[in-house]
Amino acid sequence: QQQVKQSPQSLIVQKGGISIINCAYENTAFDYFPWYQQFPGKGPALLIAIRPDVSEKKEGRFTISFNKSAKQFSLHIMDSQPGDSATYFCAAVGLQTSYDKVIFGPGTSLSVIP
Amino acid sequence: GAVVSQHPSRVICKSGTSVKIECRSLDFQATTMFWYRQFPKQSLMLMATSNEGSKATYEQGVEKDKFLINHASLTLSTLTVTSAHPEDSSFYICSASTGAYEQYFGPGTRLTVT
Repeated sequence: QQQVKQSPQSLIVQKGGISIINCAYENTAFDYFPWYQQFPGKGPALLIAIRPDVSEKKEGRFTISFNKSAKQFSLHIMDSQPGDSATYFCAAVGLQTSYDKVIFGPGTSLSVIP
Repeated sequence: GAVVSQHPSRVICKSGTSVKIECRSLDFQATTMFWYRQFPKQSLMLMATSNEGSKATYEQGVEKDKFLINHASLTLSTLTVTSAHPEDSSFYICSASTGAYEQYFGPGTRLTVT
């Protein structure tokens, strides 16, 4: 019930295309859904996040779509660029006991080819 | 703002020795700090959570006598890997939270045990 599922495991997109990564969760206690971007040898960096009271959030080329009833959310990267090549993790957070745990998905390795 | 540093970035130690990794929040006070380990091409695995002045809470399967965590102040947490063995070689990442949902991640420490 604590798991966050993520697909695809890897993704190759041409420059200028749209990258789409999908995630699903089970625990309805989650109420914050961040996406992290991680480059090799670096720590993850927060990219964009959404609360379940909205269905979509857009920041620049990055958009999260959220379907509360289906317990699914996705990341869309518009006009994908080679610099977007990285591993992307969806995550879910919910207030548990006295601290917030981030439950990470398994990750998607994105390669944007010129 | 919200910068987290880790030191060292890379460390190589001999089997049987101990190594300490520092995690600092540079421009904010962190009520909670988290320690993760990450194996190649895998997701982040939460090891433990620490609150300033309190004992760390370890995730199931993580040996607290082997991975000593000290959260001495609101800006510093340390992870000591005691009697390190080659299987402890990994990428260790800390994060810090102000108590809100966002966690800010450090750049990671690559530990190699020979």
